[in-house]
Amino acid sequence: EAGVVQSPRYKIIEKKQPVAFWCNPISGHNTLYWYRQNLGQGPELLIRYENEEAVDDSQLPKDRFSAERLKGVDSTLKIQPAELGDSAVYLCASSLGYSSYEQYFGPGTRLTVT
Amino acid sequence: TQLLEQSPQFLSIQEGENLTVYCNSSSVFSSLQWYRQEPGEGPVLLVTVVTGGEVKKLKRLTFQFGDARKDSSLHITAAQPGDTGLYLCAGWNTGNQFYFGTGTSLTVIP
Repeated sequence: EAGVVQSPRYKIIEKKQPVAFWCNPISGHNTLYWYRQNLGQGPELLIRYENEEAVDDSQLPKDRFSAERLKGVDSTLKIQPAELGDSAVYLCASSLGYSSYEQYFGPGTRLTVT
Repeated sequence: TQLLEQSPQFLSIQEGENLTVYCNSSSVFSSLQWYRQEPGEGPVLLVTVVTGGEVKKLKRLTFQFGDARKDSSLHITAAQPGDTGLYLCAGWNTGNQFYFGTGTSLTVIP
C-alpha cells in the first residue's frame, strides 16, 4: 500500500514569491493534516480536514496561507507571499479518523525562503 | 502554542544506558501518543495511551500515562544506537484539538 505522498521534496524561493505544496493521502483516509516543523522541534498543526471540511484551522496564518482539499482526497497548501520566517519542513499526514487514530506522515517538503 | 512540554530537550547517552523522557501539560488530554522521527522523514507512531495510569510496553520501551491524563513518560532500557532520533509526544485535548510536544532529541553513542 502506498504511503502519504508529498511533492516537491525541496523548494527554494525568494521572499515575496508564492509557493504551493501538494499531498496525496493514503486511500480511504478521511482525515488529512498539514503541519509546519522547525528543526529539532515538534510539528505545529496548521489545518485539519475531515473529508472536504476544514475542521481546525486555528493555527493557520490566514493572511498568507491557504489550503484546499477538493473532493476530499488530495490537498494543496499555498503560501503567498512567502516570508523568511516561513522556512521550515511542511508535513502532511492522514488517518482513518481523528482522536486516537494513528497518523501516517509523508516525508515532508523542505522550504527555504531566501 | 505548545501545550505539551518535553524534557529533556536533548539527551546524549552511551549504548546500554537507561533513559526517561517526560511530557507534561497543564491541560487534560483524552489520549496521548508517542512518535519517533528520523532525519528527512515524517514521525512514526510508537504507541497510543488513552486511560489514566495506563502503562504499555513495547520491547525495551515503556510508556506511562499519568493518572490525571496531563502527563506521560517514555522509558528506554538498555538504549541502542538504533534508538537515536527525535521523540515526540502528542495528544488530543478535551476540546478535540491536537498538539505535538516540543520534542526530545536522543543520541545513543556506540
